[in-house]
Amino acid sequence: KNQVEQSPQSLIILEGKNCTLQCNYTVSPFSNLRWYKQDTGRGPVSLTIMTFSENTKSNGRYTATLDADTKQSSLHITASQLSDSASYICVVSDQTGANNLFFGTGTRLTVIP
Amino acid sequence: ETGVTQTPRHLVMGMTNKKSLKCEQHLGHNAMYWYKQSAKKPLELMFVYNFKEQTENNSVPSRFSPECPNSSHLFLHLHTLQPEDSALYLCASSQALTGGAAYEQYFGPGTRLTVT
Repeated sequence: KNQVEQSPQSLIILEGKNCTLQCNYTVSPFSNLRWYKQDTGRGPVSLTIMTFSENTKSNGRYTATLDADTKQSSLHITASQLSDSASYICVVSDQTGANNLFFGTGTRLTVIP
Repeated sequence: ETGVTQTPRHLVMGMTNKKSLKCEQHLGHNAMYWYKQSAKKPLELMFVYNFKEQTENNSVPSRFSPECPNSSHLFLHLHTLQPEDSALYLCASSQALTGGAAYEQYFGPGTRLTVT
C-alpha cells in the first residue's frame, strides 16, 4: 500500500533555532517528492520538488534532502523565524499515471519567541 | 497570492441546504482539482478536470457535484451534506495533469465548510 508518513506530528522550537522534519514513504514506482508549507487557514504553497536523481534542493532557509534508496526525505529549516510557524506537508507522486499523489498528514511547526 | 482564488472563504450550512463553492485560476492552467482536508488527515483528492473534462472521481458521494464550465473556473455544488463533510475544501490548478511529470499544483486559500 502506498503511504507517506511524517514525523514528528508537531514540533515547538525557539526562534533562531534549526529543525529537521522527516518524511518516509513506500510509494512505488517513485516519480517525485514535494514539500509544501501550509499556513493556518490558507492553501499549501510549494517549497521544493525533487525527482529521483536529485538528493538535495534548497529554497532560501529551507533545504530538502531525498534518499531514494531508503525512501526517506527531510526538510531542514535554518535560523527559524516566527513566520515559519505552519504545517509542512510531504507529497509523493508515483509513475502510474496522472494525479497519483500521496499526501502525508503533515508536521505542525510552532516557532516561539 | 498563488493566482487561485476561492469563494466563499467560510460557509456554514444546514444539512438540507444547497450551496456552491467557486474556484477561479488566473494562471492559464489546463487542469483543476478539488481536495478535501479534514483535521489530522491527509489531503483527499475528490475531482480532477483536464481541459474541462472530468478525469477523476475518487468515489466521492453524489451529494458533491463538480462543474467546470471552462479551464479557468471550477465549482463544487453541495446538497444534503452531513456533519462529517465539515472540512477545508481546497481548489488547485496545474499547467497539466501531474503524476509522471513534475507539474506544480497551485492551491487556493480554501473554503472552510461547517455543516450543522
